[in-house]
Amino acid sequence: QQQVKQSPQSLIVQKGGISIINCAYENTAFDYFPWYQQFPGKGPALLIAIRPDVSEKKEGRFTISFNKSAKQFSLHIMDSQPGDSATYFCAAVFIAGGTSYGKLTFGQGTILTVHP
Amino acid sequence: DTGVSQDPRHKITKRGQNVTFRCDPISEHNRLYWYRQTLGQGPEFLTYFQNEAQLEKSRLLSDRFSAERPKGSFSTLEIQRTEQGDSAMYLCASSPGGKQFFGPGTRLTVL
Repeated sequence: QQQVKQSPQSLIVQKGGISIINCAYENTAFDYFPWYQQFPGKGPALLIAIRPDVSEKKEGRFTISFNKSAKQFSLHIMDSQPGDSATYFCAAVFIAGGTSYGKLTFGQGTILTVHP
Repeated sequence: DTGVSQDPRHKITKRGQNVTFRCDPISEHNRLYWYRQTLGQGPEFLTYFQNEAQLEKSRLLSDRFSAERPKGSFSTLEIQRTEQGDSAMYLCASSPGGKQFFGPGTRLTVL
């Protein structure tokens, strides 16, 4: 059951450009939405995360925009750099209780390539 | 290095063999997760430990899979009678509650 859908599958941007990756979720019980960055041969690394009670969170060049009514959220990478080239995963988790135990549900991933 | 470590990093085995992977979480993290990631896909949840108790197992975890976390420290994931479909990256993550920190993974190839 695919509960988090991510697009696009791949993205190519020029250095200095803006990279935008979108995700949509189905389960309204999700209450924490992290983004992970993964380089080849490495495990995912937490990049930035947001809770549904805010519409935007910014950390450096990375911004999450969140639309609770549409059940959508997106990652914006400003001034994209070649070093940002990696696979990005959105995820959703229910951490407030119940039996989810904080397990992450991931999107399919977006391969970002930033050309110099 | 005080991050999550996994061993081995790579494992090549023949179909039908048993394999075991180890995960050492960040010290004092009471939560430990196993995920499986196939090529071109996001990680999928396999199982969860809180201290030494295994509290949840995914339907992906067939009877050939078993995981343990003795004494609430390191964890092992064993796959018996491996099949080609088991080829994947097996990821371990630990958490104090909230953010999860991933290890580098074990890449399994079943020939």
